[in-house]
Amino acid sequence: EVQLVESGGGLVQPGGSLRLSCAASGFTFNSYSMSWVRQAPGKGLEWVSYISSDGTTMYYTDSVKGRFTISRDNVKNSLFLQMNSLRAEDTAIYFCARACCTGGTCYACFDSWGQGTLVTVSS
Amino acid sequence: DIQMTQSPSTLSASVGDRVTITCRASQSVSTWVAWYQQKPGKAPKLLIYKASSLESGVPSRFSGSGSGTEFTLTISSLQPDDFATYYCQRYNSFPWTFGQGTKVEIK
Repeated sequence: EVQLVESGGGLVQPGGSLRLSCAASGFTFNSYSMSWVRQAPGKGLEWVSYISSDGTTMYYTDSVKGRFTISRDNVKNSLFLQMNSLRAEDTAIYFCARACCTGGTCYACFDSWGQGTLVTVSS
Repeated sequence: DIQMTQSPSTLSASVGDRVTITCRASQSVSTWVAWYQQKPGKAPKLLIYKASSLESGVPSRFSGSGSGTEFTLTISSLQPDDFATYYCQRYNSFPWTFGQGTKVEIK
């Protein structure tokens, strides 16, 4: 069974930092690209960042470029999001999500999600 | 960035109704569209990918169609478990974007 378990969320002051983790199990982690998707309280979904299966290619939404860094450890089957210079508008539940792959072809949709970890940026 | 506009924002329907949700892209995204269902306090669940491909394990009452700029998610006969919020997502180019969501409520 595919499992994604996020951790590391919490309350942080504006300008502070947090590091989110996502522990993956039940699949060959190093074969899948991964993403972080967030959801502000009562709002819709927003894709945040992507990392390729081998960890060499990363993309970010404009609002987090230069502040967030995505990374992965394919030995420890873990995904990370280092978040610096946090702002109130970064307050959200952060989900890690696995890319869809079927019949050997992968797409940039998300077929497995963690339960999410809440990040609250407030003084 | 290419925007995805969903309609309606809220939909009231009864069990057994046929329900259609529309997503319009601000420019062509070919068929690079997925649909998700989300229930309160839960992670989203993939229903449809590549505009019309049904994700494994998803009931056949869900279907997707469209290409270019207009896409639809149809539930052929609404069931009690289907009351939820639905999102479209385009993934033809970065940044990937979601529609604003459609909440399907009990009439």
